[in-house]
Amino acid sequence: DAGITQSPRYKITETGRQVTLMCHQTWSHSYMFWYRQDLGHGLRLIYYSAAADITDKGEVPDGYVVSRSKTENFPLTLESATRSQTSVYFCASSEYGDGPYEQYFGPGTRLTVT
Amino acid sequence: AQSVAQPEDQVNVAEGNPLTVKCTYSVSGNPYLFWYVQYPNRGLQFLLKYITGDNLVKGSYGFEAEFNKSQTSFHLKKPSALVSDSALYFCAVRVSGYSTLTFGKGTMLLVSP
Repeated sequence: DAGITQSPRYKITETGRQVTLMCHQTWSHSYMFWYRQDLGHGLRLIYYSAAADITDKGEVPDGYVVSRSKTENFPLTLESATRSQTSVYFCASSEYGDGPYEQYFGPGTRLTVT
Repeated sequence: AQSVAQPEDQVNVAEGNPLTVKCTYSVSGNPYLFWYVQYPNRGLQFLLKYITGDNLVKGSYGFEAEFNKSQTSFHLKKPSALVSDSALYFCAVRVSGYSTLTFGKGTMLLVSP
């Protein structure tokens, strides 16, 4: 199916464990983004990528690592999960970065760190 | 720099009545403005955007938004609310030269039967 998918949809992990959230898009969009959504904060940008092998920090990058070896995939890794990283994570993509181009969002991953 | 404010955490409206969800922005330069909607346990869906030109923008599901440059606002409107419009609404802004969107904190719209 065309679109943007995220896996897993739900994840429970323990403090200190490494966890990777996957994001895959079928549009061949250049730009991809990772956000976290928390009550009272709206959406905050973690990392984004303009193309394969090009990534940049967003507003809240600490504790997260990203990579983009292929255009269609943009995994987000929590190297040592903390309770403060309990959140809903959204991946998004857009054809271009600058300009009047909307982003398209995946369904989200709900992560709980115990 | 770019920022967005949604001054209301929640808006309540009766079905059939007009609705307005407020958004103000602050940018250096000309803005591109967006509205998104999020239904429970779903990702954000794009509703509409302002690029330039006509200050009244029409979007999906009967929604429209009015751009006001002097008041730096981009309020979302609908003439007649439906119960199914109940959802979380986000305003977002990007200024030319930036690759990223800045989102407001969201406004929960509750439409009562």
